[in-house]
Amino acid sequence: DQQVKQNSPSLSVQEGRISILNCDYTNSMFDYFLWYKKYPAEGPTFLISISSIKDKNEDGRFTVFLNKSAKHLSLHIVPSQPGDSAVYFCAASERGSGQNFVFGPGTRLSVLP
Amino acid sequence: DSGVTQTPKHLITATGQRVTLRCSPRSGDLSVYWYQQSLDQGLQFLIQYYNGEERAKGNILERFSAQQFPDLHSELNLSSLELGDSALYFCASNRLAGGNEQFFGPGTRLTVL
Repeated sequence: DQQVKQNSPSLSVQEGRISILNCDYTNSMFDYFLWYKKYPAEGPTFLISISSIKDKNEDGRFTVFLNKSAKHLSLHIVPSQPGDSAVYFCAASERGSGQNFVFGPGTRLSVLP
Repeated sequence: DSGVTQTPKHLITATGQRVTLRCSPRSGDLSVYWYQQSLDQGLQFLIQYYNGEERAKGNILERFSAQQFPDLHSELNLSSLELGDSALYFCASNRLAGGNEQFFGPGTRLTVL
């Protein structure tokens, strides 16, 4: 039973346009969410996080939106660049419990020049 | 470079064999996590150690075991290997016991023939 879902295995976007990657979760106790980016032959690298006390967190071209009632979060990348082409993982945890992160299956983003 | 190192980078072995994967966490990090990523799958959490003690267990098979040594490096032992154990194995670390972003190593690609 997947607690964190990324229903789009892949996404293609034109350079300069907005990329929107979606993530849904089922565990209402999750209160901390991360996005990781992974290039081939490398480990995942942390991108951006959001706590459940917020509904938006922005870092440069990357913005994460959290809709707690819908148990949904999204990562917006604008403008998209070819170097953003990678696999993006969403991860969630119940921070106060010290529990570990549950990762989604990932979405492969391709930014076309 | 995340500061987390993993050796070896690649490992090819036969079914029934036993292998050991090694991880050195970032300087100062007390927690080490092991993940398995099978083909086109997300990151499956296996096990966590914090300051030498097992902290949390995920979907780790009984044929697998791990330990964290006094110098905080960790080893993941995989025995009686099966074809299905072929995967990327990632190690990650952070300073606290859980609930914060983790820094991933480059991974060990295990191929079981």
